[in-house]
Amino acid sequence: QQQVKQSPQSLIVQKGGISIINCAYENTAFDYFPWYQQFPGKGPALLIAIRPDVSEKKEGRFTISFNKSAKQFSLHIMDSQPGDSATYFCAASGGQLTFGSGTQLTVLP
Amino acid sequence: GAVVSQHPSWVICKSGTSVKIECRSLDFQATTMFWYRQFPKQSLMLMATSNEGSKATYEQGVEKDKFLINHASLTLSTLTVTSAHPEDSSFYICSAPARLAPTYNEQFFGPGTRLTVL
Repeated sequence: QQQVKQSPQSLIVQKGGISIINCAYENTAFDYFPWYQQFPGKGPALLIAIRPDVSEKKEGRFTISFNKSAKQFSLHIMDSQPGDSATYFCAASGGQLTFGSGTQLTVLP
Repeated sequence: GAVVSQHPSWVICKSGTSVKIECRSLDFQATTMFWYRQFPKQSLMLMATSNEGSKATYEQGVEKDKFLINHASLTLSTLTVTSAHPEDSSFYICSAPARLAPTYNEQFFGPGTRLTVL
């Protein structure tokens, strides 16, 4: 049973545009929601994370929006750059991480 | 941030042989480490939780006799793929929580080990 659903599977954005990736979870026991960035052949790297007591968190060009009642959260990448081209995974945790299926982001120059 | 290393970064072996992958937390102690497997263009799937000084906990469907985990110290966990077969070819990634308390869920990932079984 997939507990974290992620969309879209792939995303193409022009340089300078906004990239938006969405995730939905089922388990209300989750209390930590990170986003990871992964480049080919590398391990995932923590990008930004949020806990359910806040509705938004911003770090530089990256923002997480969190909707606890809807059990949804999203990643917004502002002013997307070609260097942001990577696979992004949302995850949820109540101790162990459960990953979404991933979104392959391509930012065109 | 905390650093987790893995060794080797890639390995090629013949079918039927065993391969050991090491995961080390370099600047912090980790009583728990996690092992994931990632197939091409797929997500990370948790294989097992490695516990220092005790037996690992395996996820459903993961053969514990095939994937041997040893967490002998607070900074080292090893995954041994025994009698490897081509279907075991995958990207193996470990992670460790930066803090000892299990409720602190921040995890740091190693760079991964690419295993190819011929």
